[in-house]
Amino acid sequence: ETGVTQSPTHLIKTRGQQVTLRCSSQSGHNTVSWYQQALGQGPQFIFQYYREEENGRGNFPPRFSGLQFPNYSSELNVNALELDDSALYLCASSSLGGTSGRRDEQFFGPGTRLTVL
Amino acid sequence: DAKTTQPTSMDCAEGRAANLPCNHSTISGNEYVYWYRQIHSQGPQYIIHGLKNNETNEMASLIITEDRKSSTLILPHATLRDTAVYYCIVRPYPISGGYQKVTFGTGTKLQVIP
Repeated sequence: ETGVTQSPTHLIKTRGQQVTLRCSSQSGHNTVSWYQQALGQGPQFIFQYYREEENGRGNFPPRFSGLQFPNYSSELNVNALELDDSALYLCASSSLGGTSGRRDEQFFGPGTRLTVL
Repeated sequence: DAKTTQPTSMDCAEGRAANLPCNHSTISGNEYVYWYRQIHSQGPQYIIHGLKNNETNEMASLIITEDRKSSTLILPHATLRDTAVYYCIVRPYPISGGYQKVTFGTGTKLQVIP
């Protein structure tokens, strides 16, 4: 089975710009979650998508938005970038409601390192 | 999700067992204990989870106290590749279509020493 992939690996933007990050879920997974990890901190939950609908959100403002596509891949969009948005953005996929016995696991991608100048 | 407390850092000699403790005194009855680890510059990796019984898989063992207020992750023979940040998390078991939020703390930085 293929793992979770994310693109791009690294990205540099300036304050006020908009950015789109992409994630391809692991084969057979129907749920994707996004996390923000600042330097030296644990990942912080942004939101989760299941069957193309957002079904859970952490403490992040509306300028953080997302999409999930019919093939279960996903995008994270951030508008009006701020310096504090500089972080590693992680995508994780899992198989809620699936037949896999491993539905308890979230599989994380390698992340996208975003730097806002 | 219940809050967890872990030591900030630990050292372990290569080949010895690494025992990583976690306190979760406010855990509720439907919450499981999960462990993930994050090797530098990579995404977190699932290790193991359990409810109240001890669990073992190819990576590690999980020992949960009878009152479920604490647990210990055991890496039986630590190698240099086990150097990572280890996160202990408690959360309800995911249900179909359910909320899958995972709340990470700052974890324990395990350094395996040659």
